[in-house]
Amino acid sequence: IAGITQAPTSQILAAGRRMTLRCTQDMRHNAMYWYRQDLGLGLRLIHYSNTAGTTGKGEVPDGYSVSRANTDDFPLTLASAVPSQTSVYFCASSETWGHTGELFFGEGSRLTVL
Amino acid sequence: GENVEQHPSTLSVQEGDSAVIKCTYSDSASNYFPWYKQELGKRPQLIIDIRSNVGEKKDQRIAVTLNKTAKHFSLHITETQPEDSAVYFCAALKDSNYQLIWGAGTKLIIKP
Repeated sequence: IAGITQAPTSQILAAGRRMTLRCTQDMRHNAMYWYRQDLGLGLRLIHYSNTAGTTGKGEVPDGYSVSRANTDDFPLTLASAVPSQTSVYFCASSETWGHTGELFFGEGSRLTVL
Repeated sequence: GENVEQHPSTLSVQEGDSAVIKCTYSDSASNYFPWYKQELGKRPQLIIDIRSNVGEKKDQRIAVTLNKTAKHFSLHITETQPEDSAVYFCAALKDSNYQLIWGAGTKLIIKP
């Protein structure tokens, strides 16, 4: 089934550790996004990529980095995790950049930083 | 910057009744407004969207209305069913950088 796959689905992490959340899509979408979802705050954009080889900062980029080496993969890295990064992380994609088409989300990765 | 406020945070309605969720936005240049539904433990999924050149859009039991002058848009669900129970998110496209700004979400509870 076509779509977006995220891994891991859940992770508990000690503060200060490095963590990479993986995201792969098989829809050949140009644009990909990483959001964090926190209760009462909705979804906030961390980083995005409008095409392979380019990335950009979203609303809350500090403490996170991304790369887009190819069309399908868009990993999110926390270089040194802090408790405030405890959240549910969603990867998403859309056919083109601009957020004016449907966003397809992965199942989410629940991250707890202790 | 763009800000989107969503009300109410929780809405409980009797099965078969209508539900209305409202959102206001601050950037008058915003021109795209999607609504996403997120069932418990699942991913958000688009249910309907509207662009600024129309005032209303309908898809079966779901409709969205847009008032550009007042800078608000609403989701209307008629003849609610148990499967409508979910969290609903509105969003507005920030015209300056094409990023979506999301509301905080509304938990809709359908009482049998």
